[in-house]
Amino acid sequence: EVQLVESGGDLVQPGGSLRLSCAASGFNFSNYWMHWVRQVPGKGLEWVSRINSDGSFRSYADSVKGRFTISRDNAKNTLYLQMNSLRVEDTAVYSCSAAMVTMGGQGSLVTVSS
Amino acid sequence: SYELTQPPSVSVSPGQTARITCSGDALPKKYASWYQQRPGQAPVLVIFEDTKRPPGIPERFSGSSSGTMATLTISGAQVEDEADYYCSSTDSSGNPLFGGGSKLTVL
Repeated sequence: EVQLVESGGDLVQPGGSLRLSCAASGFNFSNYWMHWVRQVPGKGLEWVSRINSDGSFRSYADSVKGRFTISRDNAKNTLYLQMNSLRVEDTAVYSCSAAMVTMGGQGSLVTVSS
Repeated sequence: SYELTQPPSVSVSPGQTARITCSGDALPKKYASWYQQRPGQAPVLVIFEDTKRPPGIPERFSGSSSGTMATLTISGAQVEDEADYYCSSTDSSGNPLFGGGSKLTVL
């Protein structure tokens, strides 16, 4: 069974940093593109970033470009999202996705507030 | 910037056919996917590449695409199908994007 478990969400002040993790199991992680998607509670889905199977290609939504960095450790079956210069509008539940087919479970809540 | 447009809400009675549309200028050249999200749960892929159904998705879910519009059809909608539905496609850079979502009410 495919499982994606996010962690690392927290309350942080504007301008702060946070690192999210996504632990993957049940599939060959190193073969798949991985994505981060976020959702403000009660609102719609927003794609955030993607990375190819070996980590050599990364792409970002304009809203996070230059502030967020996606990475992966195929030996640990783990996806990461380093979030810097956080803004109030980054407040959302962040979920990881394998190839935009399977979405993470409950996601990880990031709250940016003073 | 490229956008996908969905109706905010669709309402049907149990057993009726529900159709949810998604419009976008690039849809003639790009595939559409559809996700179902029940309250408090993660989105589930129900249609990919316009018309294909992943394993385990009931046959009452089908997809189609013509011109600038993709459509998710739920034939014989059931109360358990009540959820938010999001269409998705890719932009010119190959990055995914989502429509604003449509709330399906079955009552």
